Amino acid sequence: GQQLNQSPQSMFIQEGEDVSMNCTSSSIFNTWLWYKQDPGEGPVLLIALYKAGELTSNGRLTAQFGITRKDSFLNISASIPSDVGIYFCAGLLNTGTASKLTFGTGTRLQVTL
Amino acid sequence: DGGITQSPKYLFRKEGQNVTLSCEQNLNHDAMYWYRQDPGQGLRLIYYSQIVNDFQKGDIAEGYSVSREKKESFPLTVTSAQKNPTAFYLCASSIRDRGGRDTQYFGPGTRLTVL
Repeated sequence: GQQLNQSPQSMFIQEGEDVSMNCTSSSIFNTWLWYKQDPGEGPVLLIALYKAGELTSNGRLTAQFGITRKDSFLNISASIPSDVGIYFCAGLLNTGTASKLTFGTGTRLQVTL
Repeated sequence: DGGITQSPKYLFRKEGQNVTLSCEQNLNHDAMYWYRQDPGQGLRLIYYSQIVNDFQKGDIAEGYSVSREKKESFPLTVTSAQKNPTAFYLCASSIRDRGGRDTQYFGPGTRLTVL
């Protein structure tokens, strides 16, 4: 199965810095979802994007659905220690009533004080 | 309290045994999914189900089986045919709103270790 190209693979930043990560695909998607996963837990949905060009914010998080529908980025502003975790992008293609997700390989974020 | 529950959180089994992982949702979602996650990797789709009594293979279905007898439940059986079953297993369900927008939510996961 396909996996999306997500970069960077890992990031070490200082508290207060801004973070940017992105996902690219060779396929078109009609939805992009961004998740955060803590160790040993299930992914938690952060932001959902449904329209090409859409820019959506959720607190300190901002994500955009690329115009080509083949990419998306996530920005985190003024990072704090609880931002530590693995961030996954997921592209979604509707098939009937199910939504098959294709996941990125993840960006591991470490925040130092 | 609505959500997706998976049990148990940790599961150990001996090589050659079948084991069933539970997934229940009270979100009234039609579609449910099983994913496998290996260390340092993304999620890979094992099986999914759009409605009761129907399910489809995902990308890595070999060695797994599922059933969908009730809307709320989608158990996954890891059979002895699965060559490398030790992994973190995640269940998810999805909803499509009136505007055709999909959102998928995940359970807390079950870590299976084969001894």
